[in-house]
Amino acid sequence: QVQLVQSGAEVRKPGASVRVSCKASGYSFTAYYIHWMRQAPGRGLEWMGWINPNTGGTNYAQKFQGRVTMTRDTSIGTAYMDLSRLKSDDTAVYFCARVEYNGGWHPSDPWGQGTLVSVSS
Amino acid sequence: DIVMTQSPDSLAVSLGERATINCRSSQSVLYNFNNKNFLAWYQQKPGQPPKLLIYWASTRASGVPDRFSGSGSGTDFTLTINSLQAADVAIYFCQQYYSTPFTFGGGTKVEI
Repeated sequence: QVQLVQSGAEVRKPGASVRVSCKASGYSFTAYYIHWMRQAPGRGLEWMGWINPNTGGTNYAQKFQGRVTMTRDTSIGTAYMDLSRLKSDDTAVYFCARVEYNGGWHPSDPWGQGTLVSVSS
Repeated sequence: DIVMTQSPDSLAVSLGERATINCRSSQSVLYNFNNKNFLAWYQQKPGQPPKLLIYWASTRASGVPDRFSGSGSGTDFTLTINSLQAADVAIYFCQQYYSTPFTFGGGTKVEI
């Protein structure tokens, strides 16, 4: 079955960086975009950007420009999200999701299980 | 960016009764070229990722019970849960995927 499995929880100090991975299985990795979202404790969902695993092309939300980098390794079907210069309000659960694009976007489905990133001094 | 506004923030419904959740977008998410509304509904239970329930505003995702239904077009949408079950206790989000950045409603917590 189609599945996205994310890496485990991370704890970082302010100013540090973090990498979250998202391993895809059950479908052709390069045929679908990977989008990244986050959800701060008790808060709603925030879209961070996407990567096209076929080309490596990316598009980031303006809020994260300069701090986020999305990459992929097609040989192992894994996407990565790096976030730098972490602040306490980056504490959140980070999700990846598979999204189809064929002239227009499709809904996000499925989602990874989520990765908690905690930022604290 | 398209702003998604959900109401109510929370909702208490008796078992077997109906729950109705509303979502409004700040601009139309209806694409004229295919006459589809780029609007989805998700269900999120504690400690779990969002699960796709409804897409194109009214199409149920695979395996979703038919007590869940979506309606609306343009800027105003509704998620209806008929005959509420205990398993339906969750937070429900709407999302527009008409354009990036994808944006989400603030969520509606459904309780018994």
